[in-house]
Amino acid sequence: TQLLEQSPQFLSIQEGENLTVYCNSSSVFSSLQWYRQEPGEGPVLLVTVVTGGEVKKLKRLTFQFGDARKDSSLHITAAQPGDTGLYLCAGVRSSNTGKLIFGQGTTLQVKP
Amino acid sequence: GAGVSQSPRYKVAKRGQDVALRCDPISGHVSLFWYQQALGQGPEFLTYFQNEAQLDKSGLPSDRFFAERPEGSVSTLKIQRTQQEDSAVYLCASSLELAGGREQFFGPGTRLTVL
Repeated sequence: TQLLEQSPQFLSIQEGENLTVYCNSSSVFSSLQWYRQEPGEGPVLLVTVVTGGEVKKLKRLTFQFGDARKDSSLHITAAQPGDTGLYLCAGVRSSNTGKLIFGQGTTLQVKP
Repeated sequence: GAGVSQSPRYKVAKRGQDVALRCDPISGHVSLFWYQQALGQGPEFLTYFQNEAQLDKSGLPSDRFFAERPEGSVSTLKIQRTQQEDSAVYLCASSLELAGGREQFFGPGTRLTVL
């Protein structure tokens, strides 16, 4: 059983479209992170959300942490081919440990 | 400065062979993590260290997997008697502190293929 369910797993869209990726769990997390991973490389941190209801923006990317700290979403506005990659959500159950629990990942392809 | 480095980048092993994967974390980073990533999946936690102490090894799949960080810097993940199901990318990450929510900096990974 996956502790963090990420959806959709695959997404292929045209340049300029908007999209949302969801990360859901029945468990509470002390914080949640979003990473982006390119082929042959390790994940790179995009954002960390800590407070329930928190919204963070990074250029065209908007991240939200659910009020109950059980779910999160990543919204991309006007996607570009450079956004192509694997997007991963990862949660931390306790502030005493840095152990990350990852979702399955969302493979995004943005066509020009 | 230099990021997290891992070696080798690619390793092909025959079933039953032992392998050793190396991780050089960012200098000064206290915490070091190992993750296993199957093709098309998210990484799965294996183990982590705070300095030289291995604080959690609950994610190691079997007793064939062993990790060490004897001087609190470089770490080695050893897999004995490799099996085909061990084929995956092994990622190492380091963090300045252990506290949850701190950014983990990942290396490029070692892709292990067991034939």
